[in-house]
Amino acid sequence: EDKVVQSPLSLVVHEGDTVTLNCSYEVTNFRSLLWYKQEKKAPTFLFMLTSSGIEKKSGRLSSILDKKELFSILNITATQTGDSAVYLCAPNYGGSQGNLIFGKGTKLSVKP
Amino acid sequence: EADIYQTPRYLVIGTGKKITLECSQTMGHDKMYWYQQDPGMELHLIHYSYGVNSTEKGDLSSESTVSRIRTEHFPLTLESARPSHTSQYLCASSERVAGGGETQYFGPGTRLLVL
Repeated sequence: EDKVVQSPLSLVVHEGDTVTLNCSYEVTNFRSLLWYKQEKKAPTFLFMLTSSGIEKKSGRLSSILDKKELFSILNITATQTGDSAVYLCAPNYGGSQGNLIFGKGTKLSVKP
Repeated sequence: EADIYQTPRYLVIGTGKKITLECSQTMGHDKMYWYQQDPGMELHLIHYSYGVNSTEKGDLSSESTVSRIRTEHFPLTLESARPSHTSQYLCASSERVAGGGETQYFGPGTRLLVL
């Protein structure tokens, strides 16, 4: 059965801290892995990872994929209160068309 | 970035009513999706479409139905709403990107409350 496990489920930090969010997956016909940030409404796209070991970076956020060990991490440095959200990991898998399967997410709370 | 629209944003309706949640995208994406998400819970795929006249059920069983008569439009219908249908419904569309895989873009969602 395809599955995605994110850890921790919940995390509380103070502004300026660095956090690492984890995502492990087991899917058939893996194609890529996506990270999303979800605040009160719909998810917004952060990264798509297709190759192992190549870090994607956007400002204070970065992410990397390990296709051998079947996991990905999302790092946020110098956290700000605006980073408070649920971060979702979603492997893209399946046949010729592919679909996403979402983890439960990590709820990050950044305190001032 | 894709432009994807959902209406209504909020809907409160009585049991037994028929409702249609609208979703439109202007980017010409072939693939579209409907997800259901309860508060604090994960997203579940309930329907998807590979293109016009193509619809498939997702991994979460749903009493809703969908249609795809035009590329840009992917409405979801509940013939007879029940309180168990209360949830947030998110529509998405996707584009293929270089290197394989796809990127999905989400609409703002419809929050449905069935009394």
